[in-house]
Amino acid sequence: KQEVTQIPAALSVPEGENLVLNCSFTDSAIYNLQWFRQDPGKGLTSLLLIQSSQREQTSGRLNASLDKSSGRSTLYIAASQPGDSATYLCAVRGGDSNYQLIWGAGTKLIIKP
Amino acid sequence: DAGVIQSPRHEVTEMGQEVTLRCKPISGHDYLFWYRQTMMRGLELLIYFNNNVPIDDSGMPEDRFSAKMPNASFSTLKIQPSEPRDSAVYFCASSSDRVDTQYFGPGTRLTVL
Repeated sequence: KQEVTQIPAALSVPEGENLVLNCSFTDSAIYNLQWFRQDPGKGLTSLLLIQSSQREQTSGRLNASLDKSSGRSTLYIAASQPGDSATYLCAVRGGDSNYQLIWGAGTKLIIKP
Repeated sequence: DAGVIQSPRHEVTEMGQEVTLRCKPISGHDYLFWYRQTMMRGLELLIYFNNNVPIDDSGMPEDRFSAKMPNASFSTLKIQPSEPRDSAVYFCASSSDRVDTQYFGPGTRLTVL
């Protein structure tokens, strides 16, 4: 059974720092992996989607990497800003016919001005 | 497009009452998902539809929960009778493909007293 873990549960850094959020999964037979952002009281917004055949995806100041063999993904945020404060969730899509998303518990990120 | 629309945004009810949550997916999306989010259990998939047909309802916690999708632009999630342990944020999401990015609505925060 696939399990997705995100450590740390919370992270607080000063504005301007580069930072890395971690996501690990137990079953490497995945279809794709997504990073989402959730702002308080709001829904989830997809940030990046990495297919199982890809190693990384970039969007602006965000870069997500995928290492299937080690069961790890990272989300790199460059030059962090207070507006980046949110909870970041990782979701792994299984490679079986179900294609169900398995969610991590998220990392709550606070960027201090 | 206005994105996924959910109503109401907040619902407070008493134990034993019927609760109906509503969702309008993004036009043209063939898949609709209902999720529940709590601090203890994180995000859980309750049920999903493809072309208005329920495909997987294995996440529905018990018979008190039911979901319908009478047409491509409307879905409901009903809880009858409601219990305090049903208190959570309920999200609706839609996607154009089973494995594509899911777009989330803002959620309905349900409180059962």
